[in-house]
Formats: sequence, C-alpha cells, structure tokens
Amino acid sequence: ETGVTQSPTHLIKTRGQQVTLRCSSQSGHNTVSWYQQALGQGPQFIFQYYREEENGRGNFPPRFSGLQFPNYSSELNVNALELDDSALYLCASSLAGQTYGYTFGSGTRLTVV
Amino acid sequence: GENVEQHPSTLSVQEGDSAVIKCTYSDSASNYFPWYKQELGKGPQLIIDIRSNVGEKKDQRIAVTLNKTAKHFSLHITETQPEDSAVYFCAASKGHYGGSQGNLIFGKGTKLSVKP
Repeated sequence: ETGVTQSPTHLIKTRGQQVTLRCSSQSGHNTVSWYQQALGQGPQFIFQYYREEENGRGNFPPRFSGLQFPNYSSELNVNALELDDSALYLCASSLAGQTYGYTFGSGTRLTVV
Repeated sequence: GENVEQHPSTLSVQEGDSAVIKCTYSDSASNYFPWYKQELGKGPQLIIDIRSNVGEKKDQRIAVTLNKTAKHFSLHITETQPEDSAVYFCAASKGHYGGSQGNLIFGKGTKLSVKP
C-alpha cells in the first residue's frame, strides 16, 4: 500500500508567477484535500475534490484552483503568486468524501520571492 | 465558523513523565476530533481520533478525552520518550462528509520536547 506522495518537495517562485503542485493519493482513496500551512501555524483548508469535482472550499481566492484526475491524482494551481503564499502545501487523501482517516503527504514547501 | 484553540503552544517534559495538551472548539455540530503528530520536514500523521459519541479512547501510551458539554478535548501521552518530541495538532470536523462542511479545522499546534 503506497502513501500520499507530493511533488516537488521544494519550490522557489517569483511574485506574480504561476505554480502547479502535484499529489498522488493513497491507494484506494478517492478524495483529495489540499491544505496550506504557514510557518508556525496549523494547516488551513483550501479545497477538496471528490469524483473529479470540487466538493468544498475554504477561505481562499479563486487564483487557487485544482484538478482531480480519474486515477485520483490531483493538482493545486496558484496564479499570480504573492509573498504571503509562501507556505507548506499539504495534500491529504481519504475515502468517499469523508474526513475520517485522512492520510497526509509530506508536503511541498513553496517560497515566493 | 468553527474555531479551535490549543494550549500550551510549547511543552517540555522529562522522559517518563506525562504530557497533556488541551483544545477547545466553538461549533457544537463538530463530531470528529483527530490528533496529528508532525515531525520536522514531514506531513501530519494521525495518531488517534475520537468521535462525539465516545468520551474517551486509548491506544497504548496515548489517550484522548472529549467533553462535549464543555466543548473541549485533550491528548494524554504517558511514559513519554524522546521520540515523542514533535509538534502536535488537534483538529475538529463535522466529519462524516467532506467538503467545506467536513474539512478539518486545526489548532495552532503544541511543540512537545521530551528531555532524556
């Protein structure tokens, strides 16, 4: 059984650029959620995808968008990067849209300069 | 919306002592309360969780208690070991269905240091 894998592990981007982060869900999981974790803070919910559709969204602007593919892998896209977007981005997978039993990946550390 | 407060922000104990971390939540509709351990450079790892129909749950050295009336829940670690050193997060959720209703709301974390 494989866990949740995220790529890349680290990334440096310039303000105004666009970035795509990738996530492969744990085997058998069909729901993926993305969280943003600023330094010294708890993770904050960005959005969740279930059956390839957005299934809920936190308090993040539309420049944060996502995709879920038929194989349950997922992407997080952020346009017009701002300095405050610097954070650890975490992907979590689970079954059937549930919050129970989330499995988190190790995250992508994004630095915006 | 839901708000989760976590205390203390840092906790230092001697190896073998017990550690207790406390959280309070604001939304009485929350029904699922997981605890995560996050080590440096890693994602959060679920260590124990409790649902609102249960008052206490134990797994070896780790236990969680829930007081629905007071809207608070606590993590208890007994016989602490140096490898327990990490940041611990509590979270609350409406649980069964995901999306914006069921997503996890996290506390700000507790940095636990266990001294040998």
